[in-house]
Amino acid sequence: QVQLVQSGAEVKKPGASVKVSCKASGYTFTIYGISWVRQAPGQGLEWMGWISTENGKTNYAQMFQGRVTMTTDTSTSTAYMELRSLRSDDTAVYYCARGRIIAYFDYWGQGTLVTVSS
Amino acid sequence: EIVMTQSPATLSVSPGERATLSCRASQSVSSNLAWYQQKPGQAPRLLISGASTRATGIPARFSGRGSGTEFTLTISSLQSEDFAVYYCQQYNNWPRTFGQGTKVEIK
Repeated sequence: QVQLVQSGAEVKKPGASVKVSCKASGYTFTIYGISWVRQAPGQGLEWMGWISTENGKTNYAQMFQGRVTMTTDTSTSTAYMELRSLRSDDTAVYYCARGRIIAYFDYWGQGTLVTVSS
Repeated sequence: EIVMTQSPATLSVSPGERATLSCRASQSVSSNLAWYQQKPGQAPRLLISGASTRATGIPARFSGRGSGTEFTLTISSLQSEDFAVYYCQQYNNWPRTFGQGTKVEIK
């Protein structure tokens, strides 16, 4: 069965970076892209960007441009999202989700809580 | 950026009743519209794609309609497990955008 398993919770100080992983199984990794979506406490869903697992092409939301990098390792079927220059308002649950270039998100990871606090 | 607006913010419904949720896009998204259900502490779950196609395993009481800028999600007879937050999302344009959510609560 399709599974996306994310790395564990992180606590970071303001200004630091965090890198979250998302390991896929149960399907051919390079057929579907991966999006990253975050959710601040008590808030809605915010799309951060998408990466093609076939060729590494990315599309980032403007508000994260310059601060986020999405990568993949096809040898391990793992996607990564690195967010830099963390601020307190980056505290959120970060989800990876599977989806093709023009498509919905049909499978989601369990989420990774990133807490930014001094 | 396409703005997705959901209404109402909160919907109070009794079990067994019908619930209708609305989602409006600030410009046409064709039929590239998905609905997700999210329960506390869980990841979102895909309910509907292509505005009206139920995802695998989604009960027939969930139905979606619409195209262009106006969309609805209907739950024909609410079950206890349906009380949750529902989000619409467009995947027609970059950036992908979500509505702010509609919370369906027990009346």
